[in-house]
Amino acid sequence: GIQVEQSPPDLILQEGANSTLRCNFSDSVNNLQWFHQNPWGQLINLFYIPSGTKQNGRLSATTVATERYSLLYISSSQTTDSGVYFCAVPMNRDDKIIFGKGTRLHILP
Amino acid sequence: DAGITQSPRYKITETGRQVTLMCHQTWSHSYMFWYRQDLGHGLRLIYYSAAADITDKGEVPDGYVVSRSKTENFPLTLESATRSQTSVYFCASSALGGQGASILFYNEQFFGPGTRLTVL
Repeated sequence: GIQVEQSPPDLILQEGANSTLRCNFSDSVNNLQWFHQNPWGQLINLFYIPSGTKQNGRLSATTVATERYSLLYISSSQTTDSGVYFCAVPMNRDDKIIFGKGTRLHILP
Repeated sequence: DAGITQSPRYKITETGRQVTLMCHQTWSHSYMFWYRQDLGHGLRLIYYSAAADITDKGEVPDGYVVSRSKTENFPLTLESATRSQTSVYFCASSALGGQGASILFYNEQFFGPGTRLTVL
């Protein structure tokens, strides 16, 4: 089945820094989502981005479907950005979605 | 309240007991999903449903049963709980996105707050 790999697994940054999180997938996809799981465990939708670039405030995401990766950019990090960031893609020709193992981001004040 | 809710939020039970986790959404979304989240494994799909009375297995279905008699509800039952089923369970829903090139795809998923289940 499709493999989803996220990098880096862990990231510690000072408040105000920028970061780039990466999601690689092993097969073509028609759907990709980025989620943020905050320290209280809540899963929050960030982007639904099968292809192209989207921006929402300090966050933006780019998916290059032909090269099988997606990037999540966080600019001017804040402590509230801490948590785990997941990307999720559907298994090819299937309704099932699989998640990457996530990138744990810790923003220091 | 609008959205997707789960109950209970916390549950402690004993090995061998039956437990049902409830999930309710008010958007009339076609798709509903159950995931479990464990350290080292991330989120794994247990079961999903494309519509009322249509369910299918995910990655880790063993030991679980689901039903979907109504679009808005998608209960997950552990028929005989085991310690290995201690986990955080998330329910999610999404609207049917459309159909292209014979592949059904769906819109973004929205998650409930989770149920933390401990099996002693």
